[in-house]
Amino acid sequence: SQQGEEDPQALSIQEGENATMNCSYKTSINNLQWYRQNSGRGLVHLILIRSNEREKHSGRLRVTLDTSKKSSSLLITASRAADTASYFCATDASGAQKLVFGQGTRLTINP
Amino acid sequence: DTGVSQDPRHKITKRGQNVTFRCDPISEHNRLYWYRQTLGQGPEFLTYFQNEAQLEKSRLLSDRFSAERPKGSFSTLEIQRTEQGDSAMYLCASSRASGSSSEQYFGPGTRLTVT
Repeated sequence: SQQGEEDPQALSIQEGENATMNCSYKTSINNLQWYRQNSGRGLVHLILIRSNEREKHSGRLRVTLDTSKKSSSLLITASRAADTASYFCATDASGAQKLVFGQGTRLTINP
Repeated sequence: DTGVSQDPRHKITKRGQNVTFRCDPISEHNRLYWYRQTLGQGPEFLTYFQNEAQLEKSRLLSDRFSAERPKGSFSTLEIQRTEQGDSAMYLCASSRASGSSSEQYFGPGTRLTVT
């Protein structure tokens, strides 16, 4: 079963706009990670934020984490057509090694 | 290329046949994971190894599934007597062992179709 939910399930925006995806989870975590998956391919690791961090940046990516609300958001600024993909958040519960993924957000960037 | 590799990339088999997939992790990673992903869903954990020891198995891993990592390097995932419900993408990932979890690096996956 999935750990939580991602919102929205699908997002379509124009190139150059910002895209925001949200993730909620259920249990206490060590860290939360975001992955990107192009259609039919493997997952690419984007960014990891630890449970004691509130915000992290990597290039055009900004991730926030609110452990009191058990939620995270991923912001992609100045979107490009190449950002079209599915985005997944994944958490590891305290003491566990496995990742538990959400159902993902399908992002489409229109040129 | 020093990423995670999986073989084969695609496998079509008839119901009832056995299939075996291979994963080669990043060489310095001692943790190796298997996940299964069905269409429109996120990956679901199946099992993981630290070195050659299989430390956790999901309830999704029925007795028809077996995974090995005999020398703590590559791993194999075998499915016996395949069923149509086994059709999915099988993903392998690896990571370094650390006090808490670290990034997992995924291979390209093996897409299994059971006819």
